[in-house]
Amino acid sequence: AQKITQTQPGMFVQEKEAVTLDCTYDTSDQSYGLFWYKQPSSGEMIFLIYQGSYDEQNATEGRYSLNFQKARKSANLVISASQLGDSAMYFCAMREGWGSGGYQKVTFGTGTKLQVIP
Amino acid sequence: DTAVSQTPKYLVTQMGNDKSIKCEQNLGHDTMYWYKQDSKKFLKIMFSYNNKELIINETVPNRFSPKSPDKAHLNLHINSLELGDSAVYFCASSPSTGGKSPNYGYTFGSGTRLTVV
Repeated sequence: AQKITQTQPGMFVQEKEAVTLDCTYDTSDQSYGLFWYKQPSSGEMIFLIYQGSYDEQNATEGRYSLNFQKARKSANLVISASQLGDSAMYFCAMREGWGSGGYQKVTFGTGTKLQVIP
Repeated sequence: DTAVSQTPKYLVTQMGNDKSIKCEQNLGHDTMYWYKQDSKKFLKIMFSYNNKELIINETVPNRFSPKSPDKAHLNLHINSLELGDSAVYFCASSPSTGGKSPNYGYTFGSGTRLTVV
């Protein structure tokens, strides 16, 4: 079974509008972390936002917010007021294996390509 | 100062050659990783080291050998390169687990685009 599922291979959004990128996950761990990364066409991986499994509030970072629904095992990324520079691949990821020895394994989804239209 | 630096950024080489990719981080992180991103953009973990100790070793051909001389460096050596090894290889680092942090993600290097011809 896929650990991280991103069902939208590609999305379009009009500039200045909000967009939601979907992510569902599968884990039996009680402690885990969820991340979103952005990969623009230049290729670098940029950390956007983090949500811990025990965090009660949804994470927010500027125009990014993570809509965390634990019972549904979903961690959707919401980008408000889209900008042309938001055009990129977006990856959802999950960290499991939270241990004392520095062990952690992060699994990535297949990504969603977002294109912002002027 | 680049937090996680990889060299080289581009590597074009012939089948059968041996090559190395170097990675260094100046963040004081204890854990470092190698990921492979294929042509479909799928990111898959290959190896992870914590304080120079190998802790994750995914199913990767033994032509790939990581080496961590100290916790700030993790190099990847590839023997007998094959066409299917063409990909982007990312190095990343993170703090050790334990405790919450608002920025508990990886910091990635800029990637090494390997092309085997």
